Amino acid sequence: GAVVSQHPSWVICKSGTSVKIECRSLDFQATTMFWYRQFPKQSLMLMATSNEGSKATYEQGVEKDKFLINHASLTLSTLTVTSAHPEDSSFYICSASSGHHLYSNQPQHFGDGTRLSIL
Amino acid sequence: QQPVQSPQAVILREGEDAVINCSSSKALYSVHWYRQKHGEAPVFLMILLKGGEQKGHDKISASFNEKKQQSSLYLTASQLSYSGTYFCGTEFRNDYKLSFGAGTTVTVRA
Repeated sequence: GAVVSQHPSWVICKSGTSVKIECRSLDFQATTMFWYRQFPKQSLMLMATSNEGSKATYEQGVEKDKFLINHASLTLSTLTVTSAHPEDSSFYICSASSGHHLYSNQPQHFGDGTRLSIL
Repeated sequence: QQPVQSPQAVILREGEDAVINCSSSKALYSVHWYRQKHGEAPVFLMILLKGGEQKGHDKISASFNEKKQQSSLYLTASQLSYSGTYFCGTEFRNDYKLSFGAGTTVTVRA
């Protein structure tokens, strides 16, 4: 149980392109979804938190207009990297939780990640 | 506030034990432990919510100290499958998000 599907697994595109990444919880309803960025051999850096039907909460330093997050249903959240540039190249991972939006007494279940390479 | 995780790396032979520590400068609401293998997504291991709590499954266990500022993950009689990078994720009260430590890379050799 608790399977999170993320796709695409990898994408290579030209600078200036917008890229959409999908994150789906397959067998549970995700009250909250999280989007992380991970650089090689580094930790997971939270970019934003999204609750179904409401606007995402972005971490300090993350550009809202650059990284658009939509959490349309209890099973789907999308991250769109708009007008991507080489510095946006990274490993992006989503996670989903069925926990209450005020406290995380439930685990986060992670997708397999998307490796984004901008040429 | 990112928790401080130590050690950065540890190399073990099969059957040996290891301890990974995760510390916060102030009291936490919860601690989550995850393991990530190279090129894969992190996999949930366990959550600790109560001060003084200890829990585990198989030969991987964790504790949360009474002040809820430090958690330790114990790998007992390590197996090759225990290799990977272990992350602790910490949460403060009313702050429903996790801050992850820098990770501890565990290598178990035959």
